Amino acid sequence: QVHLVQSGGEVKKPGASVKVSCKASGYSFTSYCISWVRQAPGQGLEWMGWIGPNSGNTNYEYKFRGRITLTTDASTSTAYMELVSLESDDTAVYYCAKDYYDCSGGFDSWGQGTQVTVSS
Amino acid sequence: DIQMTQSPSSLVASVGDRVTITCRASRSITRYVHWYQQKPGKVPNLLIYGTSNLQSGVPSRFSGSGSGTDFTLTISSVQPEDFATYFCQQSYSTLYSFGQGTKLEIK
Repeated sequence: QVHLVQSGGEVKKPGASVKVSCKASGYSFTSYCISWVRQAPGQGLEWMGWIGPNSGNTNYEYKFRGRITLTTDASTSTAYMELVSLESDDTAVYYCAKDYYDCSGGFDSWGQGTQVTVSS
Repeated sequence: DIQMTQSPSSLVASVGDRVTITCRASRSITRYVHWYQQKPGKVPNLLIYGTSNLQSGVPSRFSGSGSGTDFTLTISSVQPEDFATYFCQQSYSTLYSFGQGTKLEIK
């Protein structure tokens, strides 16, 4: 059974950085892309970027370029999302999500979410 | 970027009703559309992938259709557990995007 287990909640000050981990199990980690999606309080889903664990290729939504870095460690089947220069608008639940097929872009498994709160 | 516009943004229905949610893309995305259900405080759940393919374990009352720019999610007979928010998502472009969501509420 596929599981994506994310790291715990974070409280950060404006201007700081956060790095969220997503440990995968139950499938071949390098065979499926992983995306990161966030959800601000009371808002919809916002796609941030994807990474191909096998190739290391990445693609980021324009609004996050320059602030986001996605990486993976195949030896531990873990994906990471780092976001720098945090602002209060970055307060959200951050999810990792696995593609249902290769790098198809539809997500059949999600992490439990990581609450990131940015506050002075 | 491809914009995904869902309608309606909210919907009130009774148990047993047939419900349709629409998603319109800002340009043709062939069939690269997926639908999710999210209940309050829960993780999104994939219902339909590739426009019309039912994800394993999802009840058959859910169906999807469409092509090009216009796509629909239909619930043939709404059940109490279906009251939730629904999102469409495109993966035609390498920059993915979600619709803004449709909240389905009980009458």
